[in-house]
Amino acid sequence: DVVMTQTPVSLPVSLGGQASISCRSSQSLVHSNGNTYLHWYLQKPGQSPQLLIYRVSNRFSGVPDRFSGSGSGTDFTLKISRVEPEDLGDYYCLQSTHFPPLTFGSGTKLEIK
Amino acid sequence: EVQLVESGGGLVQPGRSLKFSCAASGFTFSDYAMAWVRQAPKKGLEWVATIIYDGSSTYYRDSVKGRFTISRDNAKSTLYLQMDSLRSEDTATYYCARLANRGGWFAYWGQGTLVTVSS
Repeated sequence: DVVMTQTPVSLPVSLGGQASISCRSSQSLVHSNGNTYLHWYLQKPGQSPQLLIYRVSNRFSGVPDRFSGSGSGTDFTLKISRVEPEDLGDYYCLQSTHFPPLTFGSGTKLEIK
Repeated sequence: EVQLVESGGGLVQPGRSLKFSCAASGFTFSDYAMAWVRQAPKKGLEWVATIIYDGSSTYYRDSVKGRFTISRDNAKSTLYLQMDSLRSEDTATYYCARLANRGGWFAYWGQGTLVTVSS
């Protein structure tokens, strides 16, 4: 199974500041079709997860451009600029290149400094 | 608007069974693969099972293989999870999720239903 390692576990940020979350996979996430299936989710307190970014760098419908994804191979990053109160919660990466199983990162808690 | 509404969770004793459902609306249910994802209390997300659009293929994580069964009724736009031989480690909130076309990621999620396995 592909292991997804997310860092940091906790990320204190100032409102208006920038946050960066790393996700590393135990093997390359490049599919045989050339696509890379690495995605990012935000779970706000008391809510179900919501899709932010799919296939490394594509923002889902309605997601502000303050959120950006990048990376390749085994190393991926989610950046959040101009952090707002509504951005607080738990962030997870997910790989769907090597299935089954689908595997999530262990999560990063974004909180106010 | 895509809506996924789970129902049927609750408290169940170890070794017993439970079946719950997810009612879908706002999209053509029979066009999409569906999945169950769970989250133990204060823990991260864990994929449980996936069923393709017509129900002809299903996939499970190893720890639930042979105990859980994912199924769907496209005429009723409803997804199901039958859980047998339940264990305490199955205690979690179970989310129904719709997969994106051609990619295997979860595009939409339900609000979740809590399953507690305890004597």
